[in-house]
This record gives sequence, C-alpha cells and structure tokens, in this order.
Amino acid sequence: NAGVTQTPKFRVLKTGQSMTLLCAQDMNHEYMYWYRQDPGMGLRLIHYSVGEGTTAKGEVPDGYNVSRLKKQNFLLGLESAAPSQTSVYFCASRHRTDQPQHFGDGTRLSIL
Amino acid sequence: SQQGEEDPQALSIQEGENATMNCSYKTSINNLQWYRQNSGRGLVHLILIRSNEREKHSGRLRVTLDTSKKSSSLLITASRAADTASYFCATDAVSDYKLSFGAGTTVTVRA
Repeated sequence: NAGVTQTPKFRVLKTGQSMTLLCAQDMNHEYMYWYRQDPGMGLRLIHYSVGEGTTAKGEVPDGYNVSRLKKQNFLLGLESAAPSQTSVYFCASRHRTDQPQHFGDGTRLSIL
Repeated sequence: SQQGEEDPQALSIQEGENATMNCSYKTSINNLQWYRQNSGRGLVHLILIRSNEREKHSGRLRVTLDTSKKSSSLLITASRAADTASYFCATDAVSDYKLSFGAGTTVTVRA
C-alpha cells in the first residue's frame, strides 16, 4: 500500500517552461489537495478536488492549473514557470472531510 | 490566509523534558488536527480532536482543545531525539472541504 505518491521528487526548470506534477493515491479517497510550502509560511493551499472530475481554487491558485480525470490522480500544472513558484509542493488526500489528510513526500521545484 | 497560528515558532529542549506548543484559530471548527513533519518529508498525522472533545491522548502525546478561547495545545512528554521535527496544527472549519494550516513550531530535542 503506497499511500500518496508524488512524481517527480525534484525538478529544475527555466523561467517560462511548463511542467506537470503528478499525485497518485491508492486509498480510494474522494478529496485531494495541492499545497506549496515556503520557509516560515507553513502550507498554503493551491487547488483542491472533492471528487473525480471536480476542481476548486484554494488560497494561492494563480499560475497553476489542475485536473482530476481519474479518482486516484490529481495533476498540478505550471503553464509558464516563474521564479516565485520555486517551492516544495505537497499533495494530500483524504476520504471524508472529518478525517486526517495523508501526504506525499513532496516535489522540490526550482525555477531559474 | 492561515487559520491556525502556532506558538512558539521554535523550541529547543533536552531529551527527557516535555515540550508544549500552542495553536490559536479564528473561526468555528469541526475538528483540529496536529501533524509532524520531519526534515525533507511530508506531513504525518498525529492526532485529531473534535470540537466536542476537550482532551485526547495518544502515546506520549496529549492534546487539549478550548473552543471558547479558540485554542489548542500539544504536549509531548519525555521527549526523544526522534521527536525533532516541525509540528503543525490544522483546523477543519465548519462547512468547508479544506484544512487550514499554521506556520508550525520547530522542535529540537538535544541529546
């Protein structure tokens, strides 16, 4: 049972490049979340999904897009990367809203 | 904006001592959760306390919740070097799908 798996673990991009971060969960969870973590700021929610085919904006959605075509996968896209998007990105999932979230180990993204 | 705010930001203690950290929040909640993050890893859930509960224990962890003061505390007893980590509180607001995290407390346990 792998839990929440994030791909890739590390990536370096140049300004203006695009990329997609993949999150996969094998727990049949309905809710999935993308966060970014910056020093001293805790976790900030980028986008989230309450079920297959749904997405919603979080606290800091600008510059990011998401898709949830399959229940087990939640993709985070950067269309035109900017240095301000250098961060550690975490994906999380949970079955119901009154339950804890399960986190992946993060993707460390540097944009030069 | 962050719902929960932890205090202190950093804490350094000797092995065997107790560590206490606090969390304050602003809106009505269904539950409050505490997570641990080891360096370079994702967050791991420690304990969940519901709004109608006042205290909860899990091993060496004790969590209290005071909804009238909108605050919670996490106590780690008899700390070990392996407890060195960042600790985050997160609130599950009423009628919301999201958790709101605080900025965390960094705990260092000295041998």
